[in-house]
Amino acid sequence: EMQLVESGGGLVQPGRSLRLSCAPSGFTIEYFAMHWVRQAPGKGLEWVSGINYNSNFIGYADSVKGRFTISRDNAKNSLYLEMESLRVEDTALYYCAKDRSGYIEDYAMDVWGQGTTVTVSS
Amino acid sequence: QSALTQPASVSGSPGQSITISCTGASGDVGTYNFVSWYQQHPDKAPKLLIYDVTKRPSGISSRFSGSKSGNTASLTISGLQAEDEADYFCCSYGGYAIGVFGGGTKLTVL
Repeated sequence: EMQLVESGGGLVQPGRSLRLSCAPSGFTIEYFAMHWVRQAPGKGLEWVSGINYNSNFIGYADSVKGRFTISRDNAKNSLYLEMESLRVEDTALYYCAKDRSGYIEDYAMDVWGQGTTVTVSS
Repeated sequence: QSALTQPASVSGSPGQSITISCTGASGDVGTYNFVSWYQQHPDKAPKLLIYDVTKRPSGISSRFSGSKSGNTASLTISGLQAEDEADYFCCSYGGYAIGVFGGGTKLTVL
């Protein structure tokens, strides 16, 4: 069974940084685009960032552009999200999701993790 | 980068059909056939129901179907069942490597 496990969440003060990781089990992410999607408490889904299978095409939501950096290490079979200059409004459950294709334009996220919680508060 | 527009709630009785709309703009839903739909039960991760406007992943019931007309995509659930009660989200490619979700629709099975 294909699964994704996120880690790295926690409580952090505004302005600080945090690095999220996503590790798959049961498959390799090498051929697939990957996404980060977040959900604030009681709110809807918000796409945060996506990366093509070969890291050649990357996208960010306007709300995080310039502060967050997505990356992947196919050799280590892992996905990352480096979050800097964190704001209170970044507080959310962060999901890692696998795309059906190698390209982020598809936005067909067929495997999701259970999420890792990021709380930004002083 | 505006969120796609979905009705906040819809409801239906068991056995009925319901349709959830997802309205975007010419730069997203209207331009690209990269619309997907997700089902989310409380405290659970989202689940892919439809991708590329009309395609169903393996294992998804044929009761779920997708369509698009102009800037509006739609998800239809036929033969409504109690377990269909959940939140539903649409998602579209918005160009320039950006994705956008709808605000979500809460489905109540009466």
